[in-house]
Amino acid sequence: DIQMTQSPASLSASLGETVTIECRASEDIYNGLAWYQQKPGKSPQLLIYNANSLHTGVPSRFSGSGSGTQYSLKINSLQSEDVASYFCQQYYNYPTFGGGTKLELK
Amino acid sequence: EVQLVESGGGLVQPGRSLKLSCAASGFTFSNYYMAWVRQAPKKGLEWVATISTSGSRTYYPDSVKGRFTISRDNAKSSLYLQMNSLKSEDTATYYCARHGVGRWFAYWGQGTLVTVSS
Repeated sequence: DIQMTQSPASLSASLGETVTIECRASEDIYNGLAWYQQKPGKSPQLLIYNANSLHTGVPSRFSGSGSGTQYSLKINSLQSEDVASYFCQQYYNYPTFGGGTKLELK
Repeated sequence: EVQLVESGGGLVQPGRSLKLSCAASGFTFSNYYMAWVRQAPKKGLEWVATISTSGSRTYYPDSVKGRFTISRDNAKSSLYLQMNSLKSEDTATYYCARHGVGRWFAYWGQGTLVTVSS
């Protein structure tokens, strides 16, 4: 199985700040990576697929980048509605998820 | 609008069986691979099963292979998960999900909670 290591596990940021979450794969996943947002008590929602493609309806302040084994999710100009947990997922092989990053407001 | 509505969760004893259902609407169900993903309480996400458009191909991780069976009825736009020999570690919220063009999960249901306990 491909292991996904996400960092940091938790993050506190201020409104308007830029936030970056990292995800590292145990082997090259050739951009087969997605990012999800999960708000408290809700189901996950797709943000990014193919490492850098924005899903329908997702605000443009979210962006993804990376290649090989290293990927990142960036949130520009943090909004209050962005408070959530974020998960990466690789699909180069059978799907596996990162452990998640809990984002809170400072 | 894509809608996925799960049902069938509940409390079940270890070693017993349970079948989950997912009713899909808002898209052409037979055109998409479908999946189940679970999340243990306060934990991360774990992929559980995927089924091809026709149902002829199914995929599972080792943690549930041989115990869980995914199936679909395209005429009813419905997805199922038959879970046998349940263990306490199967306790989780189970989400029905539609794959995208690739193997990401483009849309998710609201989830149904399965608790395995005596």
